[in-house]
Amino acid sequence: NAGVTQTPKFRILKIGQSMTLQCTQDMNHNYMYWYRQDPGMGLKLIYYSVGAGITDKGEVPNGYNVSRSTTEDFPLRLELAAPSQTSVYFCASSITEDSYEQYFGPGTRLTVT
Amino acid sequence: QKEVEQNSGPLSVPEGAIASLNCTYSDRVSQSFFWYRQYSGKSPELIMSIYSNGDKEDGRFTAQLNKASQYVSLLIRDSQPSDSATYLCAVTPPSGGSYIPTFGRGTSLIVHP
Repeated sequence: NAGVTQTPKFRILKIGQSMTLQCTQDMNHNYMYWYRQDPGMGLKLIYYSVGAGITDKGEVPNGYNVSRSTTEDFPLRLELAAPSQTSVYFCASSITEDSYEQYFGPGTRLTVT
Repeated sequence: QKEVEQNSGPLSVPEGAIASLNCTYSDRVSQSFFWYRQYSGKSPELIMSIYSNGDKEDGRFTAQLNKASQYVSLLIRDSQPSDSATYLCAVTPPSGGSYIPTFGRGTSLIVHP
């Protein structure tokens, strides 16, 4: 199993550009999450999904959108990138509704200039 | 607002010593507790989970949970330089809740030779 994969690893965006961060898991997990982590800070939840077709906002959803058309994929869309979105983005998945053990992807380091 | 508090550190210990990392949480009904290790520039990796009061041991790691006092700790015995990382505490609600773990900001551990 590859686990949780994310692409790209690095990206530089100009202010106002848009992009999609890809996340795929091959563990048949129902629950998937998007976090951002700023230097010296903890993980902040952006969006999460409890299954295909179901998504919900986390703590910091503004400026982002998600979709979950399949169990495997959970892409994160950034519209009109702003410098405040410079961060490291982690996708995670977890096993079942009774276990919140999360498995994280390697992350995407995004810089908006 | 649910909170998870950790001392940011850094906690510096000599090689071979016991490192003790602590975490307190505000939501009394929290059910599941996790410790993640995050090396610099890498994604979090689950190292311990604990669900009931008491101690849980896994190799050099021991997680301790005290629900009455609302704290969870991680002990690392015979600390090695390779244990140098940031340790994140995560707390989740009971089954049937919001499925959203709350993370602390992490404690930086430095193990010096």
